[in-house]
Amino acid sequence: QKEVEQDPGPLSVPEGAIVSLNCTYSNSAFQYFMWYRQYSRKGPELLMYTYSSGNKEDGRFTAQVDKSSKYISLFIRDSQPSDSATYLCAMSAYEKLTFGTGTRLTIIP
Amino acid sequence: DAGITQSPRYKITETGRQVTLMCHQTWSHSYMFWYRQDLGHGLRLIYYSAAADITDKGEVPDGYVVSRSKTENFPLTLESATRSQTSVYFCASKPPVGDTQYFGPGTRLTVL
Repeated sequence: QKEVEQDPGPLSVPEGAIVSLNCTYSNSAFQYFMWYRQYSRKGPELLMYTYSSGNKEDGRFTAQVDKSSKYISLFIRDSQPSDSATYLCAMSAYEKLTFGTGTRLTIIP
Repeated sequence: DAGITQSPRYKITETGRQVTLMCHQTWSHSYMFWYRQDLGHGLRLIYYSAAADITDKGEVPDGYVVSRSKTENFPLTLESATRSQTSVYFCASKPPVGDTQYFGPGTRLTVL
């Protein structure tokens, strides 16, 4: 069993829809939780970072962490074609990150 | 501009050849990392370094060698390339405090 599980998709939604991306994890040592966005043929870039259970908002993006259920989510409101990318969840313990396999998202104009 | 650069961006080589992928960062971050990204596996850690002259294995280190004589450089060497090492390789760095890693643009390696 992988330490981090992420639905690989692909996921296609119409422009303006709310998108929900999810990851589950099994390692209780994970303390920090991140979402990276990766455009085709580019390196991952940090989108959201949080370390406590609850919600964190940044513009159209909301990161949600539920440590008791070992479950994290990323919500994208008013999705735009420019949001089309692969989204990677990542979790850290002991200075290292463990990544999910990524969800490929396409926003249809 | 500050950041992480990787070279070459694309490389084609043959089985058995030695290949070195370069990574350079201008932030003076203490930690540096090498990952490979493959379909179905996501990003997997190959090696990492906490400081100059300090390196350690990650999840998939076999067939790879690293060195770090200077803080800003972290080269990755495939001593005898195999087809299974065909992948996209990413270098990343992070400061000593915090867990956020910053990634380079990647090197796409094909081993024939």
